[in-house]
Amino acid sequence: AQKVTQAQTEISVVEKEDVTLDCVYETRDTTYYLFWYKQPPSGELVFLIRRNSFDEQNEISGRYSWNFQKSTSSFNFTITASQVVDSAVYFCALSDVNTGNQFYFGTGTSLTVIP
Amino acid sequence: DAMVIQNPRYQVTQFGKPVTLSCSQTLNHNVMYWYQQKSSQAPKLLFHYYDKDFNNEADTPDNFQSRRPNTSFCFLDIRSPGLGDAAMYLCATSRVVGATNEKLFFGSGTQLSVL
Repeated sequence: AQKVTQAQTEISVVEKEDVTLDCVYETRDTTYYLFWYKQPPSGELVFLIRRNSFDEQNEISGRYSWNFQKSTSSFNFTITASQVVDSAVYFCALSDVNTGNQFYFGTGTSLTVIP
Repeated sequence: DAMVIQNPRYQVTQFGKPVTLSCSQTLNHNVMYWYQQKSSQAPKLLFHYYDKDFNNEADTPDNFQSRRPNTSFCFLDIRSPGLGDAAMYLCATSRVVGATNEKLFFGSGTQLSVL
């Protein structure tokens, strides 16, 4: 069965600190996609990144970076030099071949960046 | 410019009184989804429309219905809201369904309160 676990419910950091949000997933499929979405206080989920199961290269986009490791079934998200605007709930999600239209969301990690 | 628009942002209804939430999109996407998100929980898929084809999730209560009169609009009808239906309702779109890598575009959500 598919499952996405975000063990960190809430994280608080001081501005400019680095922070890593953990995501561990389970699936029996060999073809799947992993996503990160950001949900700011306004409520809209904003797409951040999509990674397929065959591409284990880490990715960096500005202050954001993602570490995908199939060996540990993890897809962790790091924010470098955090800013107050990064305060939001972050969701990791899984989509696989058998349920292409069904996103399995984790329960989210609420990040608070303190000025 | 907002591409998935949900109105109203906040909706208050009374126990048992029917309520309708609306969603519109300017992306001309084929698929529209309704998710329910309760406090501190992951979004849960209720149903989706692929064009005019309605697809209900197996565990979605009969109390929840949906209409899609045209490509741009989709409505969520809650026939007899209970206290347990108080939640954020998120509308999302995608170009196609069944493609594992398809990302979702979300609206800002409607926060429903049931008194």
